[in-house]
Amino acid sequence: EVQLVQSGAEVKKPGESLKISCKDSGYSFPYYWIGWVRQMPGKGLEWMGIIYPPDSDTRYSPSFQGQVTISVDKSMNTAYLQWSSLKASDMAIYYCARLGGGGSALDIWGQGTMVTVSS
Amino acid sequence: ETVLTQSPGTLSLSPGERATLSCRASQSVTGNFLAWYQQKPGQAPRLLIYAASTRATGIPDRFSGSGSGTDFTLTISRLEPEDFAVYYCQHYVTPIALTFGGGTKVEI
Repeated sequence: EVQLVQSGAEVKKPGESLKISCKDSGYSFPYYWIGWVRQMPGKGLEWMGIIYPPDSDTRYSPSFQGQVTISVDKSMNTAYLQWSSLKASDMAIYYCARLGGGGSALDIWGQGTMVTVSS
Repeated sequence: ETVLTQSPGTLSLSPGERATLSCRASQSVTGNFLAWYQQKPGQAPRLLIYAASTRATGIPDRFSGSGSGTDFTLTISRLEPEDFAVYYCQHYVTPIALTFGGGTKVEI
């Protein structure tokens, strides 16, 4: 079954670093871009950026450029989203998703990782 | 950057009724790269439609997408109880960038 499995919920303090993960079942990473999407509490979806695992080509939304880092470990079939210094405003659910759908839509989604940032 | 405006914000309907959701782009959507997603509380979004009118795998035929240029529509021909959710449109721009609309909530 094609699926993306994300790491579990995190509770962090402002200023701390964090790296969350998205593991592929093995069918997507060799062929598809993998994107990250933020959903703040009670709000809509925001595209953050995307990576192509075969060569690690990475693109960021202007809104998130410099705020997060997207990376991949091909040997582990795992993509990552990381912060060097969390802010309270980073509290959200983060989804990874595969760019399939004719190459223009996100057709397989992870279950989401809830990130809580509170002092 | 293309801005997607969805309307209405909330649509109040009953099971069996027809739902018509709108997504308007601030500039023409090239290649008809417009997708629709459904999201239920506590769940990840699910792709319904891509390339404006192509149903994703496993999506019932009561869901249909149409439109071109700057105006796109998602139609649910007869609402089932499980269709009450939030719906988002999304635009893809080459080389690689995505934008989401603000969402339409379909409620009973």
